[in-house]
Amino acid sequence: DTGVSQDPRHKITKRGQNVTFRCDPISEHNRLYWYRQTLGQGPEFLTYFQNEAQLEKSRLLSDRFSAERPKGSFSTLEIQRTEQGDSAMYLCASGRVVNEQYFGPGTRLTVT
Amino acid sequence: GQQLNQSPQSMFIQEGEDVSMNCTSSSIFNTWLWYKQDPGEGPVLLIALYKAGELTSNGRLTAQFGITRKDSFLNISASIPSDVGIYFCAGKPGGGADGLTFGKGTHLIIQP
Repeated sequence: DTGVSQDPRHKITKRGQNVTFRCDPISEHNRLYWYRQTLGQGPEFLTYFQNEAQLEKSRLLSDRFSAERPKGSFSTLEIQRTEQGDSAMYLCASGRVVNEQYFGPGTRLTVT
Repeated sequence: GQQLNQSPQSMFIQEGEDVSMNCTSSSIFNTWLWYKQDPGEGPVLLIALYKAGELTSNGRLTAQFGITRKDSFLNISASIPSDVGIYFCAGKPGGGADGLTFGKGTHLIIQP
């Protein structure tokens, strides 16, 4: 069990560019979650997949954000036309039991 | 929306002391989770609580699910230097929603 992995760990981009992050969950975990965390705050829920189906989306997930999990394994989170306010740590979590979520190390995004 | 109030915001203690922190909510949660986060890393799950009144231990950590289902407590006994970090409570409401709501964290600092 290698844990949740995320790539890249750090991303610096210019405002207006598109970015894509990848999350590989713990194997056999059918549930996958994306969260965003800003400095001094706890993680905020963005969206949730069960297998390949996106079952829940937060109001935080604006139209510029899209997440996919095409084969029910890894997931990608894309942010289009990035804004400075998008700068944050983007965390992925996975779980097998409905009430437990195991987090990856996160991708830190800086928009300049 | 739902909010979790976590206190204290920070704690400065001596090595070997016991630590107590708590989390309260304006609404009922069906699950309470406690996480620890080190700088630049994702949160690590410490304890999960599923029933009102439940008391669960994990080594030197003990957590309780409040009877009202609107609060939870985490105690750390005989603190050691590696306990330093930010502790987050997280709650999961009922009604099929799977995203967690996090508190703002308690920053634990241990003075040698």
